[in-house]
Amino acid sequence: DIQMTQSPSSLSASIGDSVTITCQASQDISNYLNWYQQKPGKAPKLLIYDASNLETGVPSRFSGSGSGTDFTFTISSLQPEDIATYYCQQYDNLPYTFGQGTKLEIK
Amino acid sequence: EVQLLESGGHLVQPGGSLRLSCAASGFTFSSFAMSWVRQAPGKGLEWVSTITGGDDTYYADSVKGRFTVSRDNSKNTLFLQMNSLRAEDTAVYYCAKGRFYFDSWGQGTLVTVSS
Repeated sequence: DIQMTQSPSSLSASIGDSVTITCQASQDISNYLNWYQQKPGKAPKLLIYDASNLETGVPSRFSGSGSGTDFTFTISSLQPEDIATYYCQQYDNLPYTFGQGTKLEIK
Repeated sequence: EVQLLESGGHLVQPGGSLRLSCAASGFTFSSFAMSWVRQAPGKGLEWVSTITGGDDTYYADSVKGRFTVSRDNSKNTLFLQMNSLRAEDTAVYYCAKGRFYFDSWGQGTLVTVSS
């Protein structure tokens, strides 16, 4: 199975800050990488697909980049509603696997 | 608007069976792959199973041989038949639209396996 390692596991930032989360795959997954946001008690929401494509309706402050084994997810200016846990997910190989999640909190 | 509504989750004893359903609306159900993703209490997301529009099925090793995914396109409904349930199957089960990325999710249904 492909292991997805996110860092950091948790992150505290101020409103307006730029926030970056990384995701490393245990083998080359090309750009077959998605990012999700999950707020407490809610279902996950797709934000970024194919490493860098913004899902329809998602604010442009969210972005993704990378290919191969190393990927980055960025929030350019943190807003209060961005408080959530963020997950990366690969679909290069079955089983599709998720990172362990990054919990984002307000400082 | 895409809507996915799961049902069928409840408390079941180890070794028992359960059938989850996911009623879909707002899109052409038969044209899309559908998936199940679960989340154990306080834990991360785990992909469970996918069924394509052509009825090809895929499973995580942890459920292979115990769970069966199916769909009824005439009723726009996705199913997950879960047999030989174990304590480690305890989780919120989400149905999600899509095969490689999951662009719509239901609210989830809680399955608790305990004696």
